[in-house]
Amino acid sequence: SQTIHQWPATLVQPVGSPLSLECTVEGTSNPNLYWYRQAAGRGLQLLFYSVGIGQISSEVPQNLSASRPQDRQFILSSKKLLLSDSGFYLCAGGEYEQYFGPGTRLTVT
Amino acid sequence: AQKVTQAQTEISVVEKEDVTLDCVYETRDTTYYLFWYKQPPSGELVFLIRRNSFDEQNEISGRYSWNFQKSTSSFNFTITASQVVDSAVYFCALSEAHGTYKYIFGTGTRLKVLA
Repeated sequence: SQTIHQWPATLVQPVGSPLSLECTVEGTSNPNLYWYRQAAGRGLQLLFYSVGIGQISSEVPQNLSASRPQDRQFILSSKKLLLSDSGFYLCAGGEYEQYFGPGTRLTVT
Repeated sequence: AQKVTQAQTEISVVEKEDVTLDCVYETRDTTYYLFWYKQPPSGELVFLIRRNSFDEQNEISGRYSWNFQKSTSSFNFTITASQVVDSAVYFCALSEAHGTYKYIFGTGTRLKVLA
């Protein structure tokens, strides 16, 4: 099975600041990669997915963007954070089943 | 459209009780996958099981068992002799069996096992 690495674990950022969350995958090549957001006490919302290098699909129009510069690297970014960007961000990778990273808890103040 | 419904928002049981978490899904696909994940307080989603739509055999893994019934579009999860460590949010999910394999998640069931 794969291992998904994410960092940082927690992040506190002011409104209007940039964001970069990184996710790397170990144990497989050419995985499908996904970014999810989970608001406090809520379900999981798929933000972006990628089936290959440079191939990004957005599920929800928003203040965020994603990039996949390498096969096993997936980056979530924002140029200017909003209060509503606060949440728990999870990266996942896999094909038939998805394996999840430990998540990043982002608080925008 | 695809949809996963977990009608039970929260369940509380006393340790050693059996508990069943319900999952009902909707899809027009003839081939699909169903999943269960556990989310403990730490937040990371832990993969529990994947079931193919063409395999209706029930599965047992230790204290965990899953009942898949295509006739009722249900994929229920039973924990036998629950333990405090089972306390978590459990998510059911559905994905297409081709292409992007994107998940449709249910809203989750919070299970509290009391000592």
